[in-house]
Amino acid sequence: AQSVAQPEDQVNVAEGNPLTVKCTYSVSGNPYLFWYVQYPNRGLQFLLKYITGDNLVKGSYGFEAEFNKSQTSFHLKKPSALVSDSALYFCAVRDSRGSYIPTFGRGTSLIVHP
Amino acid sequence: DGGITQSPKYLFRKEGQNVTLSCEQNLNHDAMYWYRQDPGQGLRLIYYSQIVNDFQKGDIAEGYSVSREKKESFPLTVTSAQKNPTAFYLCASSIGSAGYTGELFFGEGSRLTVL
Repeated sequence: AQSVAQPEDQVNVAEGNPLTVKCTYSVSGNPYLFWYVQYPNRGLQFLLKYITGDNLVKGSYGFEAEFNKSQTSFHLKKPSALVSDSALYFCAVRDSRGSYIPTFGRGTSLIVHP
Repeated sequence: DGGITQSPKYLFRKEGQNVTLSCEQNLNHDAMYWYRQDPGQGLRLIYYSQIVNDFQKGDIAEGYSVSREKKESFPLTVTSAQKNPTAFYLCASSIGSAGYTGELFFGEGSRLTVL
């Protein structure tokens, strides 16, 4: 079975400060990990993914994520937050041994204050 | 441009009525999905389809029905049996094969409100 957890419902950060949105996962095989962003009343947009290779993955809009196998985590990061980064962020996981259907976390609302 | 089109964007329904949400994709993807989104509950899978004329129930299929008569289209019907249908509905697609390691592509969503 595969599962993913986003332990924070909301993250608040000041503009210009670094941000981190947390994600942990559980799979029986190797994980395929994804981050998506959703703006109000819109669909989800893909940000980045980890399949294999370098543990630090770079994606769209200056976001990056670090895969940590020992901690089963895939935290989303950005060195300097923008007000326009305020949105809902979803982590998703697929198990390499499972089906192609991903499991999504509950989402974390990121609020960047001016 | 390639993408997924959902319609209508907003829909109001009276209790006891069935409604159908449209989802069309021109990405030539095999797999299509329907998710329901409620505040604080993330995305819950309703139905998915890997090929034409075949579909599978997801985690919350009760009160919903789908069809997959064409590769490009995967409409969702919210029936009167769905007890709490007010939600934001998202359609997605992907290549869908077991070896696929890419992301899902989402439509812009349909917001259904039951009056």
